[in-house]
Amino acid sequence: GAGVSQSPSNKVTEKGKDVELRCDPISGHTALYWYRQSLGQGLEFLIYFQGNSAPDKSGLPSDRFSAERTGGSVSTLTIQRTQQEDSAVYLCASSSQGLFWETQYFGPGTRLLVL
Amino acid sequence: KNEVEQSPQNLTAQEGEFITINCSYSVGISALHWLQQHPGGGIVSLFMLSSGKKKHGRLIATINIQEKHSSLHITASHPRDSAVYICAGLTQGGSEKLVFGKGTKLTVNP
Repeated sequence: GAGVSQSPSNKVTEKGKDVELRCDPISGHTALYWYRQSLGQGLEFLIYFQGNSAPDKSGLPSDRFSAERTGGSVSTLTIQRTQQEDSAVYLCASSSQGLFWETQYFGPGTRLLVL
Repeated sequence: KNEVEQSPQNLTAQEGEFITINCSYSVGISALHWLQQHPGGGIVSLFMLSSGKKKHGRLIATINIQEKHSSLHITASHPRDSAVYICAGLTQGGSEKLVFGKGTKLTVNP
């Protein structure tokens, strides 16, 4: 079956512009996770959804970052007024029941470059 | 502060060698994920363990709760094992989330 998909695969934007990143999880998966991997840095947890609800948003780097999930499926990560330090690969993953100790299936990522 | 530290940062081996990658974690971590990131960037979840040992093919993961230490072993390594291996700790208490190590870049030469 289809895996986790993300779009766009690459995004180049100018500083100050807003960007929207999309994640399509594996069909039927309850949980969806967003991560960020900056150049030369490790992975960083941003936010996760259990269904349409995000229990903890404290991992989002600033109030310019927001995420939503509708219909228990597609999720969108929005970055407003982008800054150069937002340049990174944004990864999405999903798991079947929403438990962190389950296997997570990762998407290919969206590579964001802010000029 | 929840922390996960990996060693070594880089590892080069010859095909067939036995590989060990180490992960130490702080108080507040209840379980560990081991992930593999391929050179193209794709990430695959290898293991999730909170105690004991798990094996999948040539990969073995162990965890020692008392010592707060986990190891990932690769037997009979092969060039296709070349990847970055990442250890991630699951925090306990309050909101759960994963805290990541910086990864170990493994290169297996033919």
